[in-house]
Amino acid sequence: EAGVAQSPRYKIIEKRQSVAFWCNPISGHATLYWYQQILGQGPKLLIQFQNNGVVDDSQLPKDRFSAERLKGVDSTLKIQPAKLEDSAVYLCASSLNSGTGDTGELFFGEGSRLTVL
Amino acid sequence: KQEVTQIPAALSVPEGENLVLNCSFTDSAIYNLQWFRQDPGKGLTSLLLIQSSQREQTSGRLNASLDKSSGRSTLYIAASQPGDSATYLCAVKDITYGNNDMRFGAGTRLTVKP
Repeated sequence: EAGVAQSPRYKIIEKRQSVAFWCNPISGHATLYWYQQILGQGPKLLIQFQNNGVVDDSQLPKDRFSAERLKGVDSTLKIQPAKLEDSAVYLCASSLNSGTGDTGELFFGEGSRLTVL
Repeated sequence: KQEVTQIPAALSVPEGENLVLNCSFTDSAIYNLQWFRQDPGKGLTSLLLIQSSQREQTSGRLNASLDKSSGRSTLYIAASQPGDSATYLCAVKDITYGNNDMRFGAGTRLTVKP
């Protein structure tokens, strides 16, 4: 079974530029998450999708971050304009979320490392 | 709001030693608790998942326990090996309606010396 796919793995940009990250979850997984992990810290949730609807985006800096999951499968996370403090690893995760009896186990991709200069 | 704490932040042990990593959480109304491993520059690999109704899970040399009443989980690693060197994170999923977030600790960075 294929895991969660993310691209690009690495990205270096200047501040005020824009960047986009792509995620393809495990096939059949209804729930998709984007996390931000700053060096030395645990991942912090940015946005959660259930199919193609947003469940939680309370911690997403909406003035510069946006995300979409148009067909309930792939997702894109965009940052525009980037700031120095956005330097982090952006992790995508998915879970089955099939309802009663679902374990709720999370599966992560390799992450996209962003450096903002 | 759920807070997850992992102690110690870093741990260095000689090869072959048994060790325990600790995770504590503030709200006992959890759905599950998951332990992950993260190698440098990599994503998170799921190690063990403990459901709210369970007290422990085992996989090979790893054993994770859960005590909801005290808000604690431990990850026991038997006969540690240099290949176990990584950062170990625990995450808690709440059962509060509308809160589907997994709250993560900051992790314990483990170094196993040959």
